[in-house]
Amino acid sequence: GAVVSQHPSWVICKSGTSVKIECRSLDFQATTMFWYRQFPKQSLMLMATSNEGSKATYEQGVEKDKFLINHASLTLSTLTVTSAHPEDSSFYICSATWGDSNQPQHFGDGTRLSIL
Amino acid sequence: LAKTTQPISMDSYEGQEVNITCSHNNIATNDYITWYQQFPSQGPRFIIQGYKTKVTNEVASLFIPADRKSSTLSLPRVSLSDTAVYYCLVGDLGTGGFKTIFGAGTRLFVKA
Repeated sequence: GAVVSQHPSWVICKSGTSVKIECRSLDFQATTMFWYRQFPKQSLMLMATSNEGSKATYEQGVEKDKFLINHASLTLSTLTVTSAHPEDSSFYICSATWGDSNQPQHFGDGTRLSIL
Repeated sequence: LAKTTQPISMDSYEGQEVNITCSHNNIATNDYITWYQQFPSQGPRFIIQGYKTKVTNEVASLFIPADRKSSTLSLPRVSLSDTAVYYCLVGDLGTGGFKTIFGAGTRLFVKA
C-alpha cells in the first residue's frame, strides 16, 4: 500500500517551454504533498509543501511564479516548471502523506527534467 | 526544525550487520524519527519509523535512547542490493504544517 505515482519519469524539452509533472497517490488520500529537487550526488531539497485545496507554501529561495504547484484533489498534485531554462534541469521528486501523526511520507520515483 | 547529522559514508561486506547512527540533538517532543533508503534515480523508500526505545520490522531495527538525541538504524546481514543512501529525518507529523528537511544522508557501500 501507500503507492505514489509520478509522471513523466523523464522529460527533455527546449528552453522556454513549460513542463508539468504529476504526482498521484494511488491508494490513499494525500492531505499533504511535498515537492523536492535533487541534484547529482546531493540530498533532497524541499521546494514546497501543498495541502489539498490550499495554496502551496514555498521554501525560501524557491520562485513561486517559476514553480507552480496545484494540489487540486486529495490524490493529485502537479508541479509546472514555467519557461524552463537549462539551470532548471534536475531530478524532481514528490511525496505524499495523509497527515496523521504516525504517517511517514511516501515518495514517487522522480522525474528527470533536462532542458536543452 | 531539528537538524540531523549522519556519517557521510560507510563501507561494509555482505552478510554483516550495519549500524548507522543519526544525531538529532534538538529533537522536539512531538518529533518522530524516520529512516529512508534511496537508490540512484529513484525516490526515497520508507524503511522504519519510531518515537522511542526500539522498533523492528522485516527489514531493519531502529534503536532510540531515552533522551532521543540520537537514533541508530540497524540493517541485519546486508547484501549488495543494500548499497544506497540512507536518510534520517526528524519531524513533527502531527500538525498540518509539518515538513521535514533532508540532511546529507549516509552513503552505504556493500562489498562482496
